[in-house]
Amino acid sequence: DADVTQTPRNRITKTGKRIMLECSQTKGHDRMYWYRQDPGLGLRLIYYSFDVKDINKGEISDGYSVSRQAQAKFSLSLESAIPNQTALYFCATKEGETQYFGPGTRLLVL
Amino acid sequence: SQQGEEDPQALSIQEGENATMNCSYKTSINNLQWYRQNSGRGLVHLILIRSNEREKHSGRLRVTLDTSKKSSSLLITASRAADTASYFCATDPSGGSNYKLTFGKGTLLTVNP
Repeated sequence: DADVTQTPRNRITKTGKRIMLECSQTKGHDRMYWYRQDPGLGLRLIYYSFDVKDINKGEISDGYSVSRQAQAKFSLSLESAIPNQTALYFCATKEGETQYFGPGTRLLVL
Repeated sequence: SQQGEEDPQALSIQEGENATMNCSYKTSINNLQWYRQNSGRGLVHLILIRSNEREKHSGRLRVTLDTSKKSSSLLITASRAADTASYFCATDPSGGSNYKLTFGKGTLLTVNP
């Protein structure tokens, strides 16, 4: 199911670099989310957006920023990457009660 | 904080056996959902059970919900090697704005051929 896509799928970067993870969706959903997944910690919410003008912090937003460029696009930026931001990042949309996830971006910060 | 907590953390069974995973949560909910994640991939929605339902079936999946105990179970019958994945419960808390789900840490299921 390619309704929610993420780019890049894998990224290696160095401490202090700024990087952007991109998410696009063709589902026409207003609600979009960014999560990170770490082994043993499950999914934690970074940011979420109800529409282009409505962006909200999740439980672990420090060190991250987001941009909702259009209904279909929601980008996550790490302004100055640090090693503990190494994780698997997921974008998701929500329609009604169900979330739809992208394939994930595996990020390694050296 | 995590709303849902799955148990066990890992489960290994033989093909053809049934697999049961449990989820406990802390606050009142509108519904509880189960998602599946194949290794390194995105989560996929499996089934949703509402707070006023006690049991629900979908193919080889059976979900139960006990709101008095704040717990749910997911049963996969006649398991297959392709069922190998991590399974997460997610709760939609009542009294909120239905804007987000809270996910547990997952159960890793391994089905051996």
